[in-house]
Amino acid sequence: DIQMTQSPATLSASVGDRVTITCRASQSINSWLAWYQQKPGKAPKLLIYQASSLESGVSSRFSGSASGTEFILTISSLQPDDFATYYCQQYNNYWTFGQGTKVEIK
Amino acid sequence: EVQLVESGGGLVQPGGSLRLSCVASGFTVSSHYMSWVRQAPGKGLEWVSGIYSGGNTYYAESVKGRFTISRDKSKNTLYLQMNSLRVEDTAVHYCARAQSGVSPFDMWGQGTMVTVSS
Repeated sequence: DIQMTQSPATLSASVGDRVTITCRASQSINSWLAWYQQKPGKAPKLLIYQASSLESGVSSRFSGSASGTEFILTISSLQPDDFATYYCQQYNNYWTFGQGTKVEIK
Repeated sequence: EVQLVESGGGLVQPGGSLRLSCVASGFTVSSHYMSWVRQAPGKGLEWVSGIYSGGNTYYAESVKGRFTISRDKSKNTLYLQMNSLRVEDTAVHYCARAQSGVSPFDMWGQGTMVTVSS
């Protein structure tokens, strides 16, 4: 099974900060990597797919990058609506999620 | 409107059974790769089971042999039959859609809560 290791578990930041979240796959996943945003009591929302492609309707302050089995989600300038939990997911072999990163107000 | 609506959650005793339903609107369930994903209280997301457009089914090790995923084309509905339920199955259960076997989940339902407790 493919394991996804996401870090940090919690991130404290202020509005306007540049934020990065890292996700590492236990083996090659050929850039089949997605990022989701989840707010309390709500279903996850797809932000990024294929490591760096922005889902339609998602703000351009979200971006994704990849280097081998390491993937990064960047929020260029954190906005109040961005305080949430973020998950990475591989879909190269079934679907596996990272443990999640909670972005909270500093 | 394109959407997924789950139902069937509730309180059940350990060892009991429950069947979840997920009704799709605006697209055809049998033409997509459908999955169930769960989230225990305060925890992360866990993929539980999937059914491919061709009908092949797949399960996480944690539910293999206890859960069965299926679909009804006439009702455009996805199901999850859950047997031999355990306390650790307590979670919000979401149905989710993928466009193919190598696609993320681009649509999710609102979730239905399953509580396993005596």
